[in-house]
Amino acid sequence: AQSVTQLDSHVSVSEGTPVLLRCNYSSSYSPSLFWYVQHPNKGLQLLLKYTSAATLVKGINGFEAEFKKSETSFHLTKPSAHMSDAAEYFCVVNSKNAGGTSYGKLTFGQGTILTVHP
Amino acid sequence: KAGVTQTPRYLIKTRGQQVTLSCSPISGHRSVSWYQQTPGQGLQFLFEYFSETQRNKGNFPGRFSGRQFSNSRSEMNVSTLELGDSALYLCASSPAWETQYFGPGTRLLVL
Repeated sequence: AQSVTQLDSHVSVSEGTPVLLRCNYSSSYSPSLFWYVQHPNKGLQLLLKYTSAATLVKGINGFEAEFKKSETSFHLTKPSAHMSDAAEYFCVVNSKNAGGTSYGKLTFGQGTILTVHP
Repeated sequence: KAGVTQTPRYLIKTRGQQVTLSCSPISGHRSVSWYQQTPGQGLQFLFEYFSETQRNKGNFPGRFSGRQFSNSRSEMNVSTLELGDSALYLCASSPAWETQYFGPGTRLLVL
């Protein structure tokens, strides 16, 4: 079984300062990991994904995440926050079973609400 | 390419009624998954369809059902609505099952 823990329910930063959103995962097999962002009253937008290629993954809008197998972590970072980054962020795992498939079931973390102050 | 579309965007129903939500995936995507998002439970997987076959199912009662058509469009149905079914219902499409792209959701309010 797979699970995701987002270590902070709320993160508050000032505009122009770095962003760190923390995520730990648990998976029986080699996972695919994703970060999605949800702006108020909107659907989910894919920020970036890790699917067993490079461990440092670059996404849209300047975000990146590093897959650390030894720490079972997949933290999301951005060097400089912008007001438009204020949203809820979800760390997501899509574990493969022994046959190498997972058939569309994503497991979501509880979300981290990012607030950006001017 | 056009994104995932969901209709209707908003819906108000009363307890005991049934509701049908529709999802049109990105052109060429054959996998459609459905999720329920509530403040208390977060995002939970309902089911996934691929080529008109349900391949995976979450832990929801049988009142929640779905289907997929030959053009990959999908519908989900909730019968005998309960207050607790009030939620944002999100549909996502994928070429196979990996990276999923989400629609804007249908917000259902049960009174």
